[in-house]
Amino acid sequence: KQEVTQIPAALSVPEGENLVLNCSFTDSAIYNLQWFRQDPGKGLTSLLLIQSSQREQTSGRLNASLDKSSGRSTLYIAASQPGDSATYLCAVTPGNNLFFGTGTRLTVIP
Amino acid sequence: GAVVSQHPSRVICKSGTSVKIECRSLDFQATTMFWYRQFPKQSLMLMATSNEGSKATYEQGVEKDKFLINHASLTLSTLTVTSAHPEDSSFYICSAKDRGGYGYTFGSGTRLTVV
Repeated sequence: KQEVTQIPAALSVPEGENLVLNCSFTDSAIYNLQWFRQDPGKGLTSLLLIQSSQREQTSGRLNASLDKSSGRSTLYIAASQPGDSATYLCAVTPGNNLFFGTGTRLTVIP
Repeated sequence: GAVVSQHPSRVICKSGTSVKIECRSLDFQATTMFWYRQFPKQSLMLMATSNEGSKATYEQGVEKDKFLINHASLTLSTLTVTSAHPEDSSFYICSAKDRGGYGYTFGSGTRLTVV
């Protein structure tokens, strides 16, 4: 069964710092990997989607990489802002389902 | 982009009553929709997968008679929590997969409180 782990579970950084969130998965047979953001009490907002044939995707200050063979993905956030504070979830799909990681709760301190 | 609308955002009900949560895809047809449950400070737990025009597939441990799912059209799926109990209080989120897309779009979630 696919297991997705995210490290660290929580992270606090000062505003302006660059940071990396990690995601690992046990089964490399995936179609794609998706990073989401969740604000407290809210639904999920999709940030980046990386298809299995791709190695990275970029959107603004966000860059996500995928190394399928090693079962790893990273989400890089440049020049962090207080508005980036949220829980970040990665999820992989082997087909018609999503397996979620445990999430990283990010706090950016002004 | 794809939008999924979920209603209500919050609901409080009495024990023993039933509550219906709606999930609509606004600008695309969703052949498959997913219902998740999320406990405080935990990740999402998949409850069931619904396919338009057929019965939902429930994950192990989820009572199908308690959590009724209907996906009668390509734009609407509903989750009905029947005979609700306080332990059913949780955050429920739906998502949809676009017929031609690769990603998933999520609703804004429903906070259910059973008193």
